[in-house]
Amino acid sequence: DTAVSQTPKYLVTQMGNDKSIKCEQNLGHDTMYWYKQDSKKFLKIMFSYNNKELIINETVPNRFSPKSPDKAHLNLHINSLELGDSAVYFCASSPMGTGHEQYFGPGTRLTVT
Amino acid sequence: QQQVKQSPQSLIVQKGGISIINCAYENTAFDYFPWYQQFPGKGPALLIAIRPDVSEKKEGRFTISFNKSAKQFSLHIMDSQPGDSATYFCAAYSGGSNYKLTFGKGTLLTVNP
Repeated sequence: DTAVSQTPKYLVTQMGNDKSIKCEQNLGHDTMYWYKQDSKKFLKIMFSYNNKELIINETVPNRFSPKSPDKAHLNLHINSLELGDSAVYFCASSPMGTGHEQYFGPGTRLTVT
Repeated sequence: QQQVKQSPQSLIVQKGGISIINCAYENTAFDYFPWYQQFPGKGPALLIAIRPDVSEKKEGRFTISFNKSAKQFSLHIMDSQPGDSATYFCAAYSGGSNYKLTFGKGTLLTVNP
């Protein structure tokens, strides 16, 4: 039973395309996150949702739009993909009140050609 | 502006040795300091965490030492094993309405057999 799952695991696409990454958690957590990990392994928060409400939006281009249909899902849609969007994207979740204790998904490696 | 500074960038230790990774922070509003471990191709996983009112926390071979006045904390891995080879991230968490986890840049630990 996977706690935090992401699909797809790999995504190869061309510049200018639109793509989505899906995330689901079965831990019953209230807060979910999207992170970007670049080629140097630096982890940067992109978005945070608490009970389907946007809490953090860290100066991410408008081309990135998160959507949380319910507490267990947080999807990431990216419009007009650029070369610089190539990275590994991680979804994570945490219980209410313990945001330092985050559970990460396996990641989605996005390659933009 | 990097709020959590981590060193060294990489570390090579012999099996049985002690691995030490250091971090420094600037924002005194942080209220939790976790360490995450990431194996290649996997998402980060919480290893151990400490609150700023505690000077040391030990879990098995892993110990966090915390120096509040110096705004520094470190991870010690005793009796390091080849299976500990991974990237380690220190982080600082700011709760309240923010839910933000700020990561250091990571340390690639290699434990030679």
